[in-house]
Amino acid sequence: NAGVTQTPKFRVLKTGQSMTLLCAQDMNHEYMYWYRQDPGMGLRLIHYSVGEGTTAKGEVPDGYNVSRLKKQNFLLGLESAAPSQTSVYFCASSQGVGYTFGSGTRLTVV
Amino acid sequence: GESVGLHLPTLSVQEGDNSIINCAYSNSASDYFIWYKQESGKGPQFIIDIRSNMDKRQGQRVTVLLNKTVKHLSLQIAATQPGDSAVYFCAVEEPPIIQGAQKLVFGQGTRLTINP
Repeated sequence: NAGVTQTPKFRVLKTGQSMTLLCAQDMNHEYMYWYRQDPGMGLRLIHYSVGEGTTAKGEVPDGYNVSRLKKQNFLLGLESAAPSQTSVYFCASSQGVGYTFGSGTRLTVV
Repeated sequence: GESVGLHLPTLSVQEGDNSIINCAYSNSASDYFIWYKQESGKGPQFIIDIRSNMDKRQGQRVTVLLNKTVKHLSLQIAATQPGDSAVYFCAVEEPPIIQGAQKLVFGQGTRLTINP
């Protein structure tokens, strides 16, 4: 079982560039989430989705956009990357209780 | 909103000893609590969970204790092994739940090191 798959695993961006992080889940989960993980700060919720075609803001949404066009995919976009967005990004999915996490995308903005 | 804190950022124990990792939360209305394990370069992995109608729950070598009076949560790992070395996070479900989405608030993590 693949579970939750994130692509890419690593990326280096220059300030001002844009990119999209892809999250795909094969468990038919209704709910999907994007978190960022920074040293000493745990995981913070960026955006989440309660179903296909719906998205909502989390704790730290500024500078990010998301889309959920298909139930199995949840995309996180950075329109104009900033050094403050250097982080490890985790996608998760759930169906009621508990999350299944992907293995993360390490993003560096220089 | 909910806030979650851990008492120690690092913990070092001898192989075979028991370890206890602590966590505190702020919202007395919180109902659901989870412990995750994160190994280097990987995503968090579910260990054990507990609901507020319970004080204790046991898994394989792990026990979670919940003290709602002081809003404290702990993870006990028995007979620690080298494979237990990781960062451990507690997570608290933030009420209210919107359309069934489970919004979790994570603590900052405790890095557990097992010494041979």
